[in-house]
Formats: sequence, structure tokens, C-alpha cells
Amino acid sequence: AQKITQTQPGMFVQEKEAVTLDCTYDTSDPSYGLFWYKQPSSGEMIFLIYQGSYDQQNATEGRYSLNFQKARKSANLVISASQLGDSAMYFCAMREVGYQLIWGAGTKLIIKP
Amino acid sequence: NAGVTQTPKFQVLKTGQSMTLQCAQDMNHEYMSWYRQDPGMGLRLIHYSVGAGITDQGEVPNGYNVSRSTTEDFPLRLLSAAPSQTSVYFCASSYSKTVLSGANVLTFGAGSRLTVL
Repeated sequence: AQKITQTQPGMFVQEKEAVTLDCTYDTSDPSYGLFWYKQPSSGEMIFLIYQGSYDQQNATEGRYSLNFQKARKSANLVISASQLGDSAMYFCAMREVGYQLIWGAGTKLIIKP
Repeated sequence: NAGVTQTPKFQVLKTGQSMTLQCAQDMNHEYMSWYRQDPGMGLRLIHYSVGAGITDQGEVPNGYNVSRSTTEDFPLRLLSAAPSQTSVYFCASSYSKTVLSGANVLTFGAGSRLTVL
């Protein structure tokens, strides 16, 4: 069964607009962690943000925030005030205690000038 | 800090040839792993290691071997290359396999693009 689902294969967004990238997950374990990575066209994988299942507040890192809705099992990445440099592939991943990271298929984000 | 260093960046092989992708990290990470990335399929785990002398299979281990003789190094060997192994390979490390923490995130190498003809 697919444990991490990113439903948007590709997105076009106007520069300076906010962007929401969707990620839903499936787990019966109460303890887990959620990660977002960015992969620009140069190919490297860059860690963006982490959310633990017991964290009381949504994670934020600069222009990145994670809209964590535990009951709905969603962990959407929000990028505020998008920039041309935000154009990249974005991957959502989940780790359950004792298990490996599981990755979504990714969303290709293109920021239009 | 070099982080995770992978070599080579690009490689072209003929079917049946063997080769080794090198991976080294200088962060004293316990956990190291190899992924392959194919279009539309995200990242798939090939092999991983939780310490020197300890390795285990991931999701797609067939056709690959690994060893971990030191904490720093984790080479990936293709035994007899096949066109299906054409992919981008990433080595990644973290201080623990399983700790749930924002401090325990995978650090990736730059990737190695392999083409098998």
C-alpha cells in the first residue's frame, strides 16, 4: 500500500505567490516523522523541514512551513512569497520508529516570472 | 565540512561490466544508505548500513553489493551491469537509522548518474 502520496505531479505558480504542495501519508503508528526535501535541476537533495508526530506546533523554517493536519494525515509544504529559485522537485518522506524513510513520488514546481 | 562525497558523478557502462560507486562521509554518521532515483518513482532504497561491518538490504537490492569496513566509507558495487540499472544513485547518511528528530535528517551526496548501454 502506498504510504506517502503526493497528488500533484507538476505545478505552475506565479512568482511571489504562496505555494502549497500536498502530501498525505498512511500509518497506524502514533510516533513518526515527516520530512520535505527539495531537488533543484542541479540534482542535489536538500533538506527543508521536519515535523514530528508529537510536535504541538507546525514546523517553520524561513519561507517554508508545514501545514500538519494529523487527523487528516496530511503534511503539506507551504512556501510563502515564491521565488524563481524555488523551481525544483519537492519530495515528502515519512519515517516510522524502527523503519526506513518512505518517499513520495515528488512534485515538480515551476515558478513563472 | 565535506559532508557526503560520491564518485564518480557520471559513468557509462556496457552491459555485463562491473563497477563501484564510492561514498564517503566525514560526519561520523552511524547510518549510511544507497538510493536509486528513477523518473516518476521517487527514491528507492537499495542497501543500508547501521555501522561498520553491518549491512542490510533495502527495497531493490538485486544486482548490487555493499560493504562497510569503516564508519566513513560505504561503496556500492554493480556486479554485472544491466540497462535496467541506468539511474541516478544517491548515497545518504544520518547519525541514526531510526531516531525521530529534526536533527536526524539524511544528508545526501551530489549523486552519480549511471548509464548502462
